[in-house]
Amino acid sequence: GEDVEQSLFLSVREGDSSVINCTYTDSSSTYLYWYKQEPGAGLQLLTYIFSNMDMKQDQRLTVLLNKKDKHLSLRIADTQTGDSAIYFCAEIPASGTYKYIFGTGTRLKVLA
Amino acid sequence: GAVVSQHPSWVICKSGTSVKIECRSLDFQATTMFWYRQFPKQSLMLMATSNEGSKATYEQGVEKDKFLINHASLTLSTLTVTSAHPEDSSFYICSATLRNTEAFFGQGTRLTVV
Repeated sequence: GEDVEQSLFLSVREGDSSVINCTYTDSSSTYLYWYKQEPGAGLQLLTYIFSNMDMKQDQRLTVLLNKKDKHLSLRIADTQTGDSAIYFCAEIPASGTYKYIFGTGTRLKVLA
Repeated sequence: GAVVSQHPSWVICKSGTSVKIECRSLDFQATTMFWYRQFPKQSLMLMATSNEGSKATYEQGVEKDKFLINHASLTLSTLTVTSAHPEDSSFYICSATLRNTEAFFGQGTRLTVV
């Protein structure tokens, strides 16, 4: 099947780093994404990584990709209370249909 | 970045009525639009893929006669929930792809059927 798994919940203190993990299923996926969803809102694209990359850094965000283990992570440096949200990883399987398969979502709670 | 507007943001309807949700790409022509459904505290589940001018492709288990999708132009797709029931209450999100590499999401529509 096409299950993309994430841990359900993460709690960190303000100023610490957060690491959200994701295990995907299709080793042929060309793009992998991280989205943020605030309560009652749609999805905001945070960053994405192309499958031939191991790492991508974008300001406070660092994405690590381990293709061998099909593991993706998102590190948020200096986590702020405004980062509290649900984070979804997503892949586009190489089936050519460009439909996203979303992870189960990780609820990040940042404590002041 | 590209903007996708979804309307309405929330709607309450009576059981047995139909509800239409619009998804518009405001500043680009979307080759494909997708409709997702999200139950509370769950992930997004793809319902259907919609290409302009052709019939939507529904995911397994999604009733095409209940969830009618019309994609009349490159900037507009609509989802109509027909004969809505309380179990149809959910958060519906659309997305539109630009050059088939990145999807832009609408803000979602919260449907409550009473």
